[in-house]
Amino acid sequence: GAVVSQHPSRVICKSGTSVKIECRSLDFQATTMFWYRQFPKKSLMLMATSNEGSKATYEQGVEKDKFLINHASLTLSTLTVTSAHPEDSSFYICSARGGTNTGELFFGEGSRLTVL
Amino acid sequence: GENVEQHPSTLSVQEGDSAVIKCTYSDSASNYFPWYKQELGKGPQLIIDIRSNVGEKKDQRIAVTLNKTAKHFSLHITETQPEDSAVYFCAANPAGTALIFGKGTTLSVSS
Repeated sequence: GAVVSQHPSRVICKSGTSVKIECRSLDFQATTMFWYRQFPKKSLMLMATSNEGSKATYEQGVEKDKFLINHASLTLSTLTVTSAHPEDSSFYICSARGGTNTGELFFGEGSRLTVL
Repeated sequence: GENVEQHPSTLSVQEGDSAVIKCTYSDSASNYFPWYKQELGKGPQLIIDIRSNVGEKKDQRIAVTLNKTAKHFSLHITETQPEDSAVYFCAANPAGTALIFGKGTTLSVSS
């Protein structure tokens, strides 16, 4: 299946700093990518839909100034957690639709963010 | 919007037994229903999916059934093995939107 790469897999930062997470589709072009957040032993909650060349669409309750999403190319979307606080600590997962098979979604390996 | 309910939240079986996880969805426009397996510290991996024009799909020990009228779909794992132990998520995809996930089922297979 299609491959989605996410980096970094783990990051620890101090409170107040910003952290950038990258999501790349390695063998296909993705006009749309999705960012999910997952708390321990919980389900995946959709944060935002990232569209190449346009602004991201955020889900209700997700602060767009807090979680900056940039989808600058057909193979790369980035999520920047700005002025991170301990409550932002979580597992962030990106996904993208693979190839021409509408609906089928492939996930990155996730990024574990710990804010001290 | 779409709402996906998943049961049970935890499931323990003996190696070799079958495991069944059930999900219901609310939006009749949903037309794609994937199942994901997630191991600790990793991203979800697609294991099987089914589209609304099909009632059943099988891939070796894994099968998925879909009842559009009742708006429910199920994952069936036969001859379970310890390596099947993981968290399983069902999801539904209202046309053209992101996947909406169930809350997950923690499957434990003991040998």
